[in-house]
This record gives sequence, structure tokens and C-alpha cells, in this order.
Amino acid sequence: KAGVTQTPRYLIKTRGQQVTLSCSPISGHRSVSWYQQTPGQGLQFLFEYFSETQRNKGNFPGRFSGRQFSNSRSEMNVSTLELGDSALYLCASTMEGQNEQFFGPGTRLTVL
Amino acid sequence: AQSVTQPDIHITVSEGASLELRCNYSYGATPYLFWYVQSPGQGLQLLLKYFSGDTLVQGIKGFEAEFKRSQSSFNLRKPSVHWSDAAEYFCAVNGFGNEKLTFGTGTRLTIIP
Repeated sequence: KAGVTQTPRYLIKTRGQQVTLSCSPISGHRSVSWYQQTPGQGLQFLFEYFSETQRNKGNFPGRFSGRQFSNSRSEMNVSTLELGDSALYLCASTMEGQNEQFFGPGTRLTVL
Repeated sequence: AQSVTQPDIHITVSEGASLELRCNYSYGATPYLFWYVQSPGQGLQLLLKYFSGDTLVQGIKGFEAEFKRSQSSFNLRKPSVHWSDAAEYFCAVNGFGNEKLTFGTGTRLTIIP
């Protein structure tokens, strides 16, 4: 079974731009969570989607948003990029009824 | 509120020596506990998990962890480390019906010959 895939793997943007990251969960997994990893703040939870609904949200500004499609694929969007948004963005998928999260390789976003 | 503390930022161990990485958690209900490993530039790989039952859990790559409720700890151990174990290790907690994982700050493991 294929693992969690994230595209693109690397991205360079400039301040003020917006970006969309994509995550395809493991087949059969309906929950997708997003995390931001930075050297200063570590791993922080962004949000979780299940059946196209945001079920849980972390403490991030409204510039960070996401959505989930009927096939469980998820996207996250960051608008008006700031230098501090440079990070590794990780996506994880979970099978319904389980608590084990499987992580993708991440998207490395650099904001210049 | 849920939190995880990994008191050791960096640990250096000789190849073949034993390893113990410390993790303390705070969670208001029954915790589900995890250890993940991350190699440079990579995502997180699950080493092992504890949900309930036997407090000593076995994971992949020869790792094990022991859940001690009285000490709010979930320490990771390996009897003999290999050079390939060099990576960053994260302890994490969530609970039933709560997908949000709260991670510790990580422990970077260096292996010396």
C-alpha cells in the first residue's frame, strides 16, 4: 500500500505570495492532519480534516487554511506569506477509529 | 492541556552501547503515546505506540518503551545502538477521539564509533 504523498517536496516563494500544498493520504484513510515544523517552534498542529470537514484546529492565524476533497486528498493554503512561514509542512493520515498517524515526507517551504 | 517534555536536546552514544531517551507527558485523560524518528530532510516514522495493556511495548528497529503512569513517563530504550540510529527522536501524545498530536521538542541522537 502506498504511503502518504505530499507535493511539491520543495517550494520557494517570496513574502506576500500565497502557496498551496497537497497531501494524498494512504488509501482508506479518511482523516488528514497537517503540522508545521520549524527549528524554533518544533512540531505544531495546524488542523485536521475528516470527511471534508475541519474537525480540529491549532493556534495559527487565519492565513493558514485547508480543505479536504471527497477522495480524502487534502490541501493547505497559506496566504500573504511571511518569512516566519518558512518551515517543513508535514501531512499525516489516519484510518477511522485508529489513533496512529502516518506521516508523509513533507513539503519544505522557503519564503524569501 | 496536553504537553510533552523531552529533557535531553542532544545525546551522544557509542555504537553498540545502550540508549534511553526520556519523555514526560501531561494529558488530562488516558493518554495515547508515541515515539517517532526523523532522519534529516525526511518525514516522521513511527517507532512504537502505547494505547493500553502491557506497559512495555516493542517497536521496530529493536526499540522498546515503557509506560509509567505514576511518573507520567514513556521512555524509549534500545539495548545496542547502530550507526544508522542517528536521527532525531520525538515523543508525542494524544487521546481517544483526539487526532491532535502534541510533540516534544525532540532529542537529537549522535552515534560515535
